[in-house]
Amino acid sequence: QSVLTQPPSVSAAPGQKVTISCSGSSSNIGNNYVSWYQQLPGTAPKLLIYDNNKRPSGIPDRFSGSKSATSATLGITGLQTGDEADYCCGTWDSSLSAVVFGGGTKLTVL
Amino acid sequence: QITLKESGPTLVKPTQTLTLTCTFSGFSLSTSGVGVGWIRQPPGKALEWLALIYWDDDKRYSPSLKSRLTITKDTSKNQVVLTMTNMDPVDTATYYCAHRLQFRTFDYWGQGTLVTVSS
Repeated sequence: QSVLTQPPSVSAAPGQKVTISCSGSSSNIGNNYVSWYQQLPGTAPKLLIYDNNKRPSGIPDRFSGSKSATSATLGITGLQTGDEADYCCGTWDSSLSAVVFGGGTKLTVL
Repeated sequence: QITLKESGPTLVKPTQTLTLTCTFSGFSLSTSGVGVGWIRQPPGKALEWLALIYWDDDKRYSPSLKSRLTITKDTSKNQVVLTMTNMDPVDTATYYCAHRLQFRTFDYWGQGTLVTVSS
């Protein structure tokens, strides 16, 4: 059981937009920065979003992040088949003194 | 360019101690704010954070695994070592090390190493 809650799966057609939610509490998302990671099949996680809404160099602006209270959202526009992957949120939990991750969401581009 | 690579045994027996080494380049673990973490992922399951070590030798552990984990660093060799005692088949997973950016995120990850626990 992950500390952060994500939907197991989402799907959308190529060219469409999708959002992935990540729900937590005041001890984690509510008071700490959120990151999002993309994990293509058989590969290591890759940082997509950090500090709630910042993109590392090289990440296209089709990917965006936002945070409100104790929830965070990853948005992906102009979906491509190459976006099919698992997406995971992560943050620090001040009560647990631990890094916590969501259970991951599998994106299918139909 | 930051790179990290995990190394260690691919197969360990139950009750044995696992020792994994993360060898990195492109940064120094003596620079203020820098950290290296270990994260694992059982097959088909979610990421699970294990441990962190910072430039000032501050160490943090997963509360649920703290009694079994030890993380150390060798700044001169650009290496971080994780030991996990009393291995069990449920510890079968891909183990990743990653660069920790200013306490906030893991921005660079190693390729991971699959460790299987079986007799």
